[in-house]
Amino acid sequence: GAVVSQHPSWVICKSGTSVKIECRSLDFQATTMFWYRQFPKQSLMLMATSNEGSKATYEQGVEKDKFLINHASLTLSTLTVTSAHPEDSSFYICSATLGGYHNQPQHFGDGTRLSIL
Amino acid sequence: GENVEQHPSTLSVQEGDSAVIKCTYSDSASNYFPWYKQELGKGPQLIIDIRSNVGEKKDQRIAVTLNKTAKHFSLHITETQPEDSAVYFCAASKFGNEKLTFGTGTRLTIIP
Repeated sequence: GAVVSQHPSWVICKSGTSVKIECRSLDFQATTMFWYRQFPKQSLMLMATSNEGSKATYEQGVEKDKFLINHASLTLSTLTVTSAHPEDSSFYICSATLGGYHNQPQHFGDGTRLSIL
Repeated sequence: GENVEQHPSTLSVQEGDSAVIKCTYSDSASNYFPWYKQELGKGPQLIIDIRSNVGEKKDQRIAVTLNKTAKHFSLHITETQPEDSAVYFCAASKFGNEKLTFGTGTRLTIIP
């Protein structure tokens, strides 16, 4: 149980284009999803917290207009990197949790490797 | 905010020996401490977690200990196997469903 699927797993695109990454909880309803960014050989840095049906909460220093997050249903959150540039190249990982009073742990997807040329 | 430090950054142990990874945290309000294993090109996988009302938790070859007074917690892997080779991250949060602060990671290599 507690499977989180992320798609695509790998994407290469030209500078200036927008890229959408999907995060799905396959066997549970995720009231809260998180988006992380990870550079090579580094730890995970939280970008934003996404609650179903409400606006995402962004961490300090993360541009909300650059990284658009939508959590329209209990099983799907999307991250759109708008007008991507080479410095946006990174490994993006989502996690999902049941949230609320259930105090359930976070389960992670397998990440999306984004390369901007 | 919370700050989590993790040591060592790299660890090599002989197959069959034990491995210990240690973390310290700064926020006394943290109550939830998970450990994740990350293999190359994959997302982190939860391997064990502990909450502040418990001092120790064990799951087969993996155990975690927590000292709330000293604000540190440790991961213990016994009888290590080659498939244990990966990067391990500790993390802390107030509750499991709230944002996690991660340690810097430990690259564990099991030598056959």
